[in-house]
Amino acid sequence: DAGVTQSPTHLIKTRGQQVTLRCSPKSGHDTVSWYQQALGQGPQFIFQYYEEEERQRGNFPDRFSGHQFPNYSSELNVNALLLGDSALYLCASSSAVLRNTGELFFGEGSRLTVL
Amino acid sequence: AQSVTQLDSHVSVSEGTPVLLRCNYSSSYSPSLFWYVQHPNKGLQLLLKYTSAATLVKGINGFEAEFKKSETSFHLTKPSAHMSDAAEYFCVVSDLSEGNKLVFGAGTILRVKS
Repeated sequence: DAGVTQSPTHLIKTRGQQVTLRCSPKSGHDTVSWYQQALGQGPQFIFQYYEEEERQRGNFPDRFSGHQFPNYSSELNVNALLLGDSALYLCASSSAVLRNTGELFFGEGSRLTVL
Repeated sequence: AQSVTQLDSHVSVSEGTPVLLRCNYSSSYSPSLFWYVQHPNKGLQLLLKYTSAATLVKGINGFEAEFKKSETSFHLTKPSAHMSDAAEYFCVVSDLSEGNKLVFGAGTILRVKS
């Protein structure tokens, strides 16, 4: 049973560029959340998707956008990259049953470096 | 607004000695509290959770935490540390009425000496 998978694992971009990160949820899960973890800090909630719609959003600018596909996989897009966007981006999945339990299954993350 | 404060950024213990990782929370209502663990190059894993049932919560790998409303604390403990416990630990608070939006503390890095 594959857990949450994310790609790419590492990537380097320059300021002003755009990036797309991808996530496949754990088998049987339909809800995907994205978190940003800056160096030395705890993860911060970006947004959550289920039924192909953004359901909740954290305190992140519109440069951060997402999408969920019919197979429940998800993408995180960041436009006009800033140096401060350098972080580990974590995808977490849950099922409808787990949606309001706080029990999330996390991937290993995509480490983005912006130069 | 909810928040958690992890009182120690680094904790170092010897193998076989007790572990105490401290966490205080702030919430305007009865919170749901969690501890997650992050091993190097691994995804975050749920260790245990408190959701207004028993105040002493048992988790995986021998960890437990006690919810103390009067002290607004949710400290994580383990009687005897093992080398494999070396990791970063996050205290987390959530308003589960908002789905699974979790608010993480800054983390405590646990080092276990042999």
